[in-house]
Amino acid sequence: GENVEQHPSTLSVQEGDSAVIKCTYSDSASNYFPWYKQELGKRPQLIIDIRSNVGEKKDQRIAVTLNKTAKHFSLHITETQPEDSAVYFCAVDTGRRALTFGSGTRLQVQP
Amino acid sequence: GAGVSQSPSNKVTEKGKDVELRCDPISGHTALYWYRQRLGQGLEFLIYFQGNSAPDKSGLPSDRFSAERTGESVSTLTIQRTQQEDSAVYLCASSSPTGGTGELFFGEGSRLTVL
Repeated sequence: GENVEQHPSTLSVQEGDSAVIKCTYSDSASNYFPWYKQELGKRPQLIIDIRSNVGEKKDQRIAVTLNKTAKHFSLHITETQPEDSAVYFCAVDTGRRALTFGSGTRLQVQP
Repeated sequence: GAGVSQSPSNKVTEKGKDVELRCDPISGHTALYWYRQRLGQGLEFLIYFQGNSAPDKSGLPSDRFSAERTGESVSTLTIQRTQQEDSAVYLCASSSPTGGTGELFFGEGSRLTVL
């Protein structure tokens, strides 16, 4: 089955700095790569996604880049704010119509 | 409904008892998913429904776990003879994929504690 690895597991940045989280996957047939944000005690919510026919997508302070050759994709958050503190999960569509999630990155933005 | 609804929100049970968790997806969503999240861990896939059929049950950890769905509506996840390692938050999600995988809308989860 699909194997998704996510790094780092924890990340601490100063407010205003950038944060980058990276995921690698194994199945070259994967074609959909979303990122979910889970605040403490809350449900995961989609923040951005990318499909395999594009290399980058931006939405205000967040962006996702995809390198299909290397089979990795990254989440970039610029000008971080305390409310960005949460656990972020990458995910990959395996083609079974069920997402495989990474193990999560706990982001802490220090004010 | 307005969102994915799960019940109970919290369940404490004794080892060996059976539990039933319920998920009410967003109206019109054909796809429904169950995931398990242990404390501080990621989301572990359990089972996926398209309508009332389950094309992928590969994530169910043992034969103590089963799930069913009525049409394109409510789903129940049943855990028989619960064990302490079953303690986790069980998350349900639904989606309405059009031509490919779409956004998953998660419920608040059912927190299961097995004593």
